[in-house]
Amino acid sequence: KNEVEQSPQNLTAQEGEFITINCSYSVGISALHWLQQHPGGGIVSLFMLSSGKKKHGRLIATINIQEKHSSLHITASHPRDSAVYICAIYHRDDKIIFGKGTRLHILP
Amino acid sequence: NAGVTQTPKFRVLKTGQSMTLLCAQDMNHEYMYWYRQDPGMGLRLIHYSVGEGTTAKGEVPDGYNVSRLKKQNFLLGLESAAPSQTSVYFCASSPTGFHGYTFGSGTRLTVV
Repeated sequence: KNEVEQSPQNLTAQEGEFITINCSYSVGISALHWLQQHPGGGIVSLFMLSSGKKKHGRLIATINIQEKHSSLHITASHPRDSAVYICAIYHRDDKIIFGKGTRLHILP
Repeated sequence: NAGVTQTPKFRVLKTGQSMTLLCAQDMNHEYMYWYRQDPGMGLRLIHYSVGEGTTAKGEVPDGYNVSRLKKQNFLLGLESAAPSQTSVYFCASSPTGFHGYTFGSGTRLTVV
């Protein structure tokens, strides 16, 4: 079993829809990182969180440490949000494990 | 500010050749990282550094060496390239390891 599981693997939605991407993990962590990889390959750090919720613009990330689960939400989705979203967990022993990513495609 | 700059952007090597990938950051970040990304495998951490003169192994360090002689530069070396090292390599830096990550644009390496 992978230590980090993301769901769904692929998601296609219409512009304006509310998007949720999930990340579940199976070990104790010190932090969780959400990344966005653009179609051209560039990677952008979105959020790093160890508890609660963070918001930046239309993006919201939440984490539930007890349930070992994090979600990334996108409100009022737009075609420019089309990307691969990657979750990474930071083990307490400094190990970093990445999920395989969720490919999001927003249709105009 | 340039952020994080990786050189080269593309390279083709023959099996057994050596090369060094350079990562340079101008943000005075303490933490620097080298990752590789392969289809179906996702990103994996190769080595990282928590400050000038320090390095540590990540998940897949075998076949690679690193050095951080200057705070702004993190070098990734392949002493004897193998086809299994064909990948896209990303460098990143962070001031603390817990926020403010900036990624380079990647180096596409093919070993034939």
